[in-house]
Amino acid sequence: EAQVTQNPRYLITVTGKKLTVTCSQNMNHEYMSWYRQDPGLGLRQIYYSMNVEVTDKGDVPEGYKVSRKEKRNFPLILESPSPNQTSLYFCASSLSGVDTEAFFGQGTRLTVV
Amino acid sequence: AQSVAQPEDQVNVAEGNPLTVKCTYSVSGNPYLFWYVQYPNRGLQFLLKYITGDNLVKGSYGFEAEFNKSQTSFHLKKPSALVSDSALYFCAVRDSGTYKYIFGTGTRLKVLA
Repeated sequence: EAQVTQNPRYLITVTGKKLTVTCSQNMNHEYMSWYRQDPGLGLRQIYYSMNVEVTDKGDVPEGYKVSRKEKRNFPLILESPSPNQTSLYFCASSLSGVDTEAFFGQGTRLTVV
Repeated sequence: AQSVAQPEDQVNVAEGNPLTVKCTYSVSGNPYLFWYVQYPNRGLQFLLKYITGDNLVKGSYGFEAEFNKSQTSFHLKKPSALVSDSALYFCAVRDSGTYKYIFGTGTRLKVLA
């Protein structure tokens, strides 16, 4: 089954404790990205990657890191999480090409206390 | 800068009645427009897209959308609403340079039995 898999689905952590949210896709997609969803703000892009070893900042990159060492994986790293990073996070992938639709993971609800 | 507006936070409609969820956009160049649906505790699912051609686009689950260039709108429609259509709907435009999706703030559709 074609899918984007995120882990964990739920995470509660403390301020400053480094964490990684994993994302993996099995569709051989070139393009992957991370979004955060906050009430009243819709989804905002954090980082994106057009292909292996190519990543770039989205609209809200502060406090986040990513890497793209393999085509299928695109982990999101919070080196020192803060409460304002409490949010619902989505990973998405698509074929390259502006006319292609994205496939989204199930989401990771992160709470930083 | 590209942007998408969904002017209604919530739309209520009776089951069996037609529904419309509104979306307007602002882009430089050709618009690449998408609709996604989010059910509770799930990721976003692709419904339909407009790239070029016919202004009436048909998608999944009986949904369609009408592209109107002069009004810069891309409204989502369905002739007969179902209770199971109740969900959060996002309109998005895709940037042709970064391939980033720019999402609206979402419209919650509530179909009443």
